[in-house]
Amino acid sequence: AQKITQTQPGMFVQEKEAVTLDCTYDTSDQSYGLFWYKQPSSGEMIFLIYQGSYDEQNATEGRYSLNFQKARKSANLVISASQLGDSAMYFCAMREGGGNQFYFGTGTSLTVIP
Amino acid sequence: DTEVTQTPKHLVMGMTNKKSLKCEQHMGHRAMYWYKQKAKKPPELMFVYSYEKLSINESVPSRFSPECPNSSLLNLHLHALQPEDSALYLCASSPGWGYRLEQYFGPGTRLTVT
Repeated sequence: AQKITQTQPGMFVQEKEAVTLDCTYDTSDQSYGLFWYKQPSSGEMIFLIYQGSYDEQNATEGRYSLNFQKARKSANLVISASQLGDSAMYFCAMREGGGNQFYFGTGTSLTVIP
Repeated sequence: DTEVTQTPKHLVMGMTNKKSLKCEQHMGHRAMYWYKQKAKKPPELMFVYSYEKLSINESVPSRFSPECPNSSLLNLHLHALQPEDSALYLCASSPGWGYRLEQYFGPGTRLTVT
């Protein structure tokens, strides 16, 4: 079974609008972390935001927020006030317990339209 | 210094060549990773080093040979590669184990095998 599922291969959003990128996960661990990364066409993976399994509040970092619904095992990324520079691939990832490994979803390609 | 550096940025090599990719971090991180990434796909884990010892090898062909000479350096030695090995090779580091700990990525090496 896939550990991380991203069901939106491509998304479009108008500049200045908000957009939600979906991520669901599968784990039997009680302790896990969920991460979102942005990858522009230049290739570098940029860390955006983190949510821990025991965190009761949704994480926020500037224009990024994470809509964490533990019972539904979803960790959606919300980008508010989209900018042209937000056009990139976005990957959701998970790290379990004390493990070394990160599990990545297949990614969502976001295009911001002027 | 929160940077992971990778050299070279681009590499073109023939199938009979031997080359090496280099990755460096000075954040005191104890886990280091090599990933292979094809266009529009998620990173695929190749190797994980933990305290300078190889802890995960994801059944990577022997034409890829990792080396961790010290806690700051990670090399990937390449020999007799195939055209399908052309990809973006990403190095990453993490402070250690623990689900809260994110990965820091380098800018990657774009490898073309001719």
